[in-house]
Amino acid sequence: KAGVTQTPRYLIKTRGQQVTLSCSPISGHRSVSWYQQTPGQGLQFLFEYFSETQRNKGNFPGRFSGRQFSNSRSEMNVSTLELGDSALYLCASSKLGRTGELFFGEGSRLTVL
Amino acid sequence: GENVEQHPSTLSVQEGDSAVIKCTYSDSASNYFPWYKQELGKGPQLIIDIRSNVGEKKDQRIAVTLNKTAKHFSLHITETQPEDSAVYFCAEESGTYKYIFGTGTRLKVLA
Repeated sequence: KAGVTQTPRYLIKTRGQQVTLSCSPISGHRSVSWYQQTPGQGLQFLFEYFSETQRNKGNFPGRFSGRQFSNSRSEMNVSTLELGDSALYLCASSKLGRTGELFFGEGSRLTVL
Repeated sequence: GENVEQHPSTLSVQEGDSAVIKCTYSDSASNYFPWYKQELGKGPQLIIDIRSNVGEKKDQRIAVTLNKTAKHFSLHITETQPEDSAVYFCAEESGTYKYIFGTGTRLKVLA
């Protein structure tokens, strides 16, 4: 059974640019969550999607957005990149999105110069 | 606000010794507390979890204890091995479809 796949794995952008990250969940999983991981801050919740609907959103500025497609694949977008957006962005899938195991991808490491 | 405090941030133990990582949460309504292990270059992986109706859960060398009154939960690893070296995160399920993670503990098992 294939795991969670995130693309791209690494990317470098400059301030002001935008970026789109992609996540393919485990087959049969309808919930996709996104987390930002930075040193010393742990994992910060960005948003969660289930059947193309955003069910919860973390405390991030509006520059961070996401969506989910009918096949459960998800994308997140960050516009007007800032240096502080440099981080590892992790996607996690689960069957229902609550009280159960999250299956994480290996992440997309974004560096903003 | 929503917060999970995790201690210590780094922990070094001799192979064969025990390791304990402690977390404190703030949301009294939380009922589910997972622990994740993250190896270098990989995403976090669930190693054990506990629900609020249980005080302790054990899986081979790993155990988790929960004190809902004090809002504390802890991870215990016995007979540590070099492959236990990783970053460990505690978390609480906070509200709907959202997990609050601790800041992580880097465990080093010295051979």
